[in-house]
Amino acid sequence: AQTVTQSQPEMSVQEAETVTLSCTYDTSENNYYLFWYKQPPSRQMILVIRQEAYKQQNATENRFSVNFQKAAKSFSLKISDSQLGDTAMYFCAFMRPRYSGGGADGLTFGKGTHLIIQP
Amino acid sequence: DVKVTQSSRYLVKRTGEKVFLECVQDMDHENMFWYRQDPGLGLRLIYFSYDVKMKEKGDIPEGYSVSREKKERFSLILESASTNQTSMYLCASRSPGVPNQPQHFGDGTRLSIL
Repeated sequence: AQTVTQSQPEMSVQEAETVTLSCTYDTSENNYYLFWYKQPPSRQMILVIRQEAYKQQNATENRFSVNFQKAAKSFSLKISDSQLGDTAMYFCAFMRPRYSGGGADGLTFGKGTHLIIQP
Repeated sequence: DVKVTQSSRYLVKRTGEKVFLECVQDMDHENMFWYRQDPGLGLRLIYFSYDVKMKEKGDIPEGYSVSREKKERFSLILESASTNQTSMYLCASRSPGVPNQPQHFGDGTRLSIL
C-alpha cells in the first residue's frame, strides 16, 4: 500500500514571497503519478500540477513548480510570487496505474497543508 | 470543462436512516470515485467504479455501498447511518484513456448524522 506524508499542517507567508510545501511518499511501484491539488474555502478540488514518475524533468505550471526526487520519494511544491488567492488547503496525491489501458486505483492523499498568504 | 455534480451541498440525517449521496458527471468518464474528507486525515477512498455495474472497495468501505447503473451516475449509500459517518463526501471522475489524466472533483456534500 502507498502512503503519502505532508509534514506541514499549516504554513503562513507574506504576499509575493516564495513558499515550498513538502510531500514524501512510500511505494514499491516504479511507475506512478503524483499530483498536487488545491482546495480553497469554496471546497472545489482544483488540480495544480502533475508529475509522471518516469519523467526526470520537473513539472512547471506558471508560478507553480515541483521538485521531484524519485530516489528520495519526495515531491515538493514551490509557489513563486504568492498571491492572496493561493490561500487554500494543498493536498499531495499518489496514483498507481492499474493496467496499461490507463485505468487506475483511486488517489492516495496526504493529510494536507493549510497555506495562508498574508497581505 | 468537466462537470461533476453532487446532488446536495449540505445534508442532515438521523442515525439509522438509509442515506443516498448522488453524483453525476457529464464527460462520459468510465472511472468514478467516492472519498470522505475529515480534518487532519485528508481524503480517503471509500469505493470506486471502473465502469457501469463495476465496483471495487477502497480503503474504508465499511458501512457504505455503491451503485453504478448508468455511466454518468455513481451513488454512495449509507445503509444505516451512524454519527461517525458525519463528514464531507467528495465524488470524482476520470477518463482512463490517458494514464496521467487527473481526477475531476465535485463540490462535496457535507453530511451530518444526528
